[in-house]
Parts: sequence; structure tokens; C-alpha cells
Amino acid sequence: DIQMTQSPSSLSASVGDRVTITCRASQTIKFYLNWYHQKPGKAPKLLIHAASNLQSGVPSRFSGSGSGTDFTLTITSLQPEDVATYYCQQSYSTSWTFGQGTKVEIK
Amino acid sequence: QVQLVESGGGLVKPGGSLRLSCAASGFTFSDYYMTWIRLAPGKGLEWISSISGSVSATYYADSVKGRFTISRDNAKKSLFLQMTTLRPEDTAVYYCARGGGYSGYGAYWGQGTLVTVSS
Repeated sequence: DIQMTQSPSSLSASVGDRVTITCRASQTIKFYLNWYHQKPGKAPKLLIHAASNLQSGVPSRFSGSGSGTDFTLTITSLQPEDVATYYCQQSYSTSWTFGQGTKVEIK
Repeated sequence: QVQLVESGGGLVKPGGSLRLSCAASGFTFSDYYMTWIRLAPGKGLEWISSISGSVSATYYADSVKGRFTISRDNAKKSLFLQMTTLRPEDTAVYYCARGGGYSGYGAYWGQGTLVTVSS
């Protein structure tokens, strides 16, 4: 199975800060990497697909980059509504795997 | 608009069985892979199983292989997860999502249904 490792596991930042979350795959996954966030009690929401494609309706402060094994999700200006747990997910394999999650809080 | 509505969750004893359903609307159901994903208390998202649109090829996580069966009824726009030999560690909110397979992604998700396995 392809293992996905996110860092950090949690972070606290101020409103307006630039936030970066990284995701590393245990083998190359080309660009088949997706990002979601999940707020407590809610369903996950797709933010980015295929490493860098912003899902329709998602604010442009979210962006993704990377290929191969190393990927990054960036929030250019953190907003209070961005408090959530963020997950990366690979679909290079038909057996998907998720990262362990990054909990984002407001300082 | 796309809607996915899960049902069938509840409290079940270890070793018991449960069948989850996911009713889909707002898109051509047979055109899409569908996937089950769960969120256990204090844990992260875990992919459980996917099924392709028309030929119904199926894929399972090792943690549920041999115990869970995914299926679909394209005429009724419904997705199912038959869960048997349930364990306490299967306790989770179970989500259905549209998408799956190679290069896929979960563009739409249901609200989830809670499965609790406890004596």
C-alpha cells in the first residue's frame, strides 16, 4: 500500500497568515494527489484535485503544488472559517490512502 | 444538484452485521465510481471500498476485505455496504462519496451515518 505522511500534525496560526501543509508519498504517485478539509461534524470537502486543480467554488486562497512524492497545500491568508482538519489522499492506486490529517487552528 | 444520503447505521454487537445504503441523485449514477470512507473516533479518514460504475469492479481495504461487500443498483441509483463480523474498531461515521479508482477523487460526499459496534 502507498503510505501518505502529512506534516505538521497540527498548527496554530493567526488570521491572515500564510499556512503550508506538506504531504509525502512512500512512492511516486505522479500528480494523483487530492486535498480535503473536514470541519467537526461535517462531511469532508474537496479543495484541490490532481495536485494543483482548485475545485469549483473553493476560495482562491487555497492552492496546491507538487508531483512525484512531495506535495504542498498552501492557504495564502488564513481565515477563521478555515479551521478544520486537512487531509491529503492519493489515487495513483485504486486502493486510496489518506494522510493522517493536519489540524489547523487560529492563534 | 448532486445529493448523497446515507442510511442504515446504528448500534450492533461485535460479530453482528449491518447494511448501509447511499441514495444518489442529481447525476448519472452509473457513470461514476462510488466509494465508502469512514472516520473513526479520534482517527483520520480511512478509505474502505470502491466500486466502478458499469462493470462493478470492486476494491477493498485490507482491514475489511472478506468481511464487507460493496454493491450498487444503478437502476435505483443506490450504493450499498454489507458489513459482517463487525468489530469494535469498525465503529465510525461512514461516508459515501462520488468518485473512486485510479486518478479519482471524492468530489461529493454524503452527511455520513454512524455505526457503533459495542456489547
